[in-house]
Amino acid sequence: DTGVSQNPRHKITKRGQNVTFRCDPISEHNRLYWYRQTLGQGPEFLTYFQNEAQLEKSRLLSDRFSAERPKGSFSTLEIQRTEQGDSAMYLCASSPQGSWSAEAFFGQGTRLTVV
Amino acid sequence: AQSVTQPDIHITVSEGASLELRCNYSYGATPYLFWYVQSPGQGLQLLLKYFSGDTLVQGIKGFEAEFKRSQSSFNLRKPSVHWSDAAEYFCAVGGTGGGNKLTFGTGTQLKVEL
Repeated sequence: DTGVSQNPRHKITKRGQNVTFRCDPISEHNRLYWYRQTLGQGPEFLTYFQNEAQLEKSRLLSDRFSAERPKGSFSTLEIQRTEQGDSAMYLCASSPQGSWSAEAFFGQGTRLTVV
Repeated sequence: AQSVTQPDIHITVSEGASLELRCNYSYGATPYLFWYVQSPGQGLQLLLKYFSGDTLVQGIKGFEAEFKRSQSSFNLRKPSVHWSDAAEYFCAVGGTGGGNKLTFGTGTQLKVEL
């Protein structure tokens, strides 16, 4: 396991379709985060899991967005009825449990384009 | 609410010149501060972090940053820039007061002239 893995790397979808992204964190990390990054902006926090529990969600995470981490390992982020404004890079990060001194390791992201 | 300001959107330096990227933060408690670098098509890589103690922190790739509480700043520096340092740099703030999340600045795009 060499790092956080995200699939797919790129996704082009038509407006109104549903999409699902997957994140595989570093195996011993029990914290998992999703961020969204639009062009010219820094990443924005979406949601956070500790093991299988979703502990925090941003107001950015509308009802069309849902994230799961069913067994405390990999996570999925689903966007229903995609809109052009959903076009962005979706980044996943993981970190080990502990104090804030733990580094968050980021994946390479999934770039979503809604046409 | 926590926030980060990176006032410089683009910076161009000559290879071998020194570099300073500015970062100002707003945070209601003791901040935890980070600098990340992002190359095209890549994820974010942590350069360095500050939690407490010595206000001058050393990171990877020859970078350092200085925490100045009185100025709410955490500027990133490098004495001699290499062409491979060209990338986008993000400052971020987090901590127990803001929940388990990072708030990022809008980034500074660094161009290195040979």
